Amino acid sequence: NSKVIQTPRYLVKGQGQKAKMRCIPEKGHPVVFWYQQNKNNEFKFLINFQNQEVLQQIDMTEKRFSAECPSNSPCSLEIQSSEAGDSALYLCASSPPGLGGSQNTLYFGAGTRLSVL
Amino acid sequence: GDSVTQTEGQVALSEEDFLTIHCNYSASGYPTLFWYVQYPGEGPQLLFRASRDKEKGSSRGFEATYDKGTTSFHLRKASVQESDSAVYYCALSDITGYQNFYFGKGTSLTVIP
Repeated sequence: NSKVIQTPRYLVKGQGQKAKMRCIPEKGHPVVFWYQQNKNNEFKFLINFQNQEVLQQIDMTEKRFSAECPSNSPCSLEIQSSEAGDSALYLCASSPPGLGGSQNTLYFGAGTRLSVL
Repeated sequence: GDSVTQTEGQVALSEEDFLTIHCNYSASGYPTLFWYVQYPGEGPQLLFRASRDKEKGSSRGFEATYDKGTTSFHLRKASVQESDSAVYYCALSDITGYQNFYFGKGTSLTVIP
């Protein structure tokens, strides 16, 4: 069973509504990734963090998406104004510290399935 | 840039058949290679990984060997079961500073009892 906890499992929103999802990474994993998985099973990288700092994010994330990983609180991903095209499975993954070898591994949560009506 | 190519989009087999899913990658140096499996309604789970040329990864009867010469990491299983029905992803990570990961498009495996 995954040690990365994502809530809620399902989220239904109307167009223009905010959608917020949360992720608790595996204990001891300082690196957190968010991906969007579309209906064709393709992974789209959104943003990643190391501890509380953003490492990388895509342009789309900068406009309507916001994310944070505060200390001692779950990480979160929020879509400010949902669009139909945002309907997807949002996956959070965490990775152990360090670079190279076994440290370069993503451990995924079960995902939050967002449906924008 | 780095990339992963999975040849088969969908595979249908009968129980006890031999499985091969082809994965080829493009990357410089020695990326870490992975196979993930995703069951319906769940997130991807790590099957195994390999980091060095000729290293074999294996789990639950599945295996793959890192081959830098052919830039491949093909997934194989000698005898599939209905419970193996899932989507399988080949992936790689490079070790540039921010741990970039690249996923194949996935192969949907259906095992018919």
